[in-house]
Amino acid sequence: DAGVIQSPRHEVTEMGQEVTLRCKPISGHNSLFWYRQTMMRGLELLIYFNNNVPIDDSGMPEDRFSAKMPNASFSTLKIQPSEPRDSAVYFCASSFLLGGEQFFGPGTRLTVL
Amino acid sequence: SQELEQSPQSLIVQEGKNLTINCTSSKTLYGLYWYKQKYGEGLIFLMMLQKGGEEKSHEKITAKLDEKKQQSSLHITASQPSHAGIYLCGADNNNQGGKLIFGQGTELSVKP
Repeated sequence: DAGVIQSPRHEVTEMGQEVTLRCKPISGHNSLFWYRQTMMRGLELLIYFNNNVPIDDSGMPEDRFSAKMPNASFSTLKIQPSEPRDSAVYFCASSFLLGGEQFFGPGTRLTVL
Repeated sequence: SQELEQSPQSLIVQEGKNLTINCTSSKTLYGLYWYKQKYGEGLIFLMMLQKGGEEKSHEKITAKLDEKKQQSSLHITASQPSHAGIYLCGADNNNQGGKLIFGQGTELSVKP
């Protein structure tokens, strides 16, 4: 199995631009998670889906952030407009069941100038 | 204050030595997950503990859950350079199965 796939691996953009991060979960997994990791705040859960339905988005920092899961094999995290404080590594993870082990992707390193 | 605290924050050990990393929650633990992360990479799942007193082992790594103390420990026996990395614990404090909060991590270096 290919594991969780994220793209792009690195993204450098300018403040005010729209950023879209993409994730393909492991085939057959029903839950998908978006995390953000920074030195200051550590690893934080932003939002998670179960069977393509958003369950909890209380970790999404602002209205500038939005996430979608149009089907079982694809999810996006969008930041519009981006700000320098959004610079972080964004991870996507998936699990077969809620509460089961989460498998993490390699992450997208986002730099907003 | 942190909801999930790990100690120590960093650790340097000589190859072959044993070590323990602790993870303490300020809230009830419904599940505790241990992950390892290498710099610039994603997290690798190590073990999941869900019952008080539960203990799991994989190769030279053992994790235990003390539900009453709201604490888990990760013990590495006869450490090797391959054990180096950042160890993170993640906790389910809401019994929602999936909504995890993570500790700040423990950075482990193993000197050959």
